[in-house]
Amino acid sequence: DVKVTQSSRYLVKRTGEKVFLECVQDMDHENMFWYRQDPGLGLRLIYFSYDVKMKEKGDIPEGYSVSREKKERFSLILESASTNQTSMYLCASSLGSFGANVLTFGAGSRLTVL
Amino acid sequence: AQKITQTQPGMFVQEKEAVTLDCTYDTSDPSYGLFWYKQPSSGEMIFLIYQGSYDQQNATEGRYSLNFQKARKSANLVISASQLGDSAMYFCAMREAMDSNYQLIWGAGTKLIIKP
Repeated sequence: DVKVTQSSRYLVKRTGEKVFLECVQDMDHENMFWYRQDPGLGLRLIYFSYDVKMKEKGDIPEGYSVSREKKERFSLILESASTNQTSMYLCASSLGSFGANVLTFGAGSRLTVL
Repeated sequence: AQKITQTQPGMFVQEKEAVTLDCTYDTSDPSYGLFWYKQPSSGEMIFLIYQGSYDQQNATEGRYSLNFQKARKSANLVISASQLGDSAMYFCAMREAMDSNYQLIWGAGTKLIIKP
């Protein structure tokens, strides 16, 4: 069964801490994505990657960075966490680009920054 | 301007009734795709159904069907014979061919609660 695994379901961090959110997929998908989900705002794309060591900014990249050293792993990094980054973070992957290529999501990581 | 609009923030429906979740979209691209995802309280987004702009027939997947009205730019999700397990957030999303990155544009979601 295809799977996207996010390492942490719940995290509580302090303002200024460096935060790593890890995502691993076992489907050999080229594309991986990090979204942020806030009530009433839907999903907003932070960063995405079409290949190893490749990254592209999404709609809200400020305050975040990413790393994709291996095809199966895509990490989201908050260099200095702030309270306005308290949110649900969703990782997804997909095969190919256009058409009906479906995103497969992980279960999400709920981050609280105090 | 909102590209995907879901006008129903929340809905209560009696079990076994049919449900229609509204989604309107805005695009000038003749080639696009529309998706519906379900997000239960567990958090994982689950793909439900896809409709391409050039598809002649409305998409169906089991109890899910998509009422695609291209001229009105609407892509409503219909769930037949609702079940308690259908209680979840539902998101409509669109992908445009004009977007060189082929990214999904998401609606704000509708929270559906099925009453026993």
